[in-house]
Amino acid sequence: DAGVIQSPRHEVTEMGQEVTLRCKLISGHNSLFWYRQTMMRGLELLIYFNNNVPIDDSGMPEDRFSAKMPNASFSTLKIQPSEPRDSAVYFCASSLMYSNQPQHFGDGTRLSIL
Amino acid sequence: AQSVTQLDSHVSVSEGTPVLLRCNYSSSYSPSLFWYVQHPNKGLQLLLKYTSAATLVKGINGFEAEFKKSETSFHLTKPSAHMSDAAEYFCVVTSGTGRRALTFGSGTRLQVQP
Repeated sequence: DAGVIQSPRHEVTEMGQEVTLRCKLISGHNSLFWYRQTMMRGLELLIYFNNNVPIDDSGMPEDRFSAKMPNASFSTLKIQPSEPRDSAVYFCASSLMYSNQPQHFGDGTRLSIL
Repeated sequence: AQSVTQLDSHVSVSEGTPVLLRCNYSSSYSPSLFWYVQHPNKGLQLLLKYTSAATLVKGINGFEAEFKKSETSFHLTKPSAHMSDAAEYFCVVTSGTGRRALTFGSGTRLQVQP
């Protein structure tokens, strides 16, 4: 059974460029979460979706960040324009849509903005 | 509101000795509690979960945790540490309100000495 798949695993780009991170959910899961992990701030929830609908985007840092779920199995997180302070590891996770269900994480995208 | 406190940022044990990673939580509702493990350059992997059934929860790789409501604790234990247990461990709480966001502890880095 394939887990959550994220791409790319690593991304290095110059500030000002657009960055798109991708995530494929586990089949049958209907909740999708985007997290950011840094040494300074630990793990932060950016946004989550239930059944393709954004439920809580209060963790999105600013308007430069946007996330979409064009279908039930796929999501993108876009940063435009990117800044050096966006450098972090970005994780997505999926789960069944009940509060006692665990989330399954991808291996993350390590993003470096120069 | 909910919060999680992991009482130790670093724990070092010798191989073959017991492991204790401490976690205290607060939650306005009946919580679900999880422990996740993160190995270097990997996503988070679920170790075990508590969701109001048995208070002693057994997980993967010989880990277990006990939910103690009177102490608002959910400490993680293992009788005998293995070198492969060296990783970062996160205690996580989610409330029973239906809001799906997880609240993560700041993490405990476990070192296992040979």
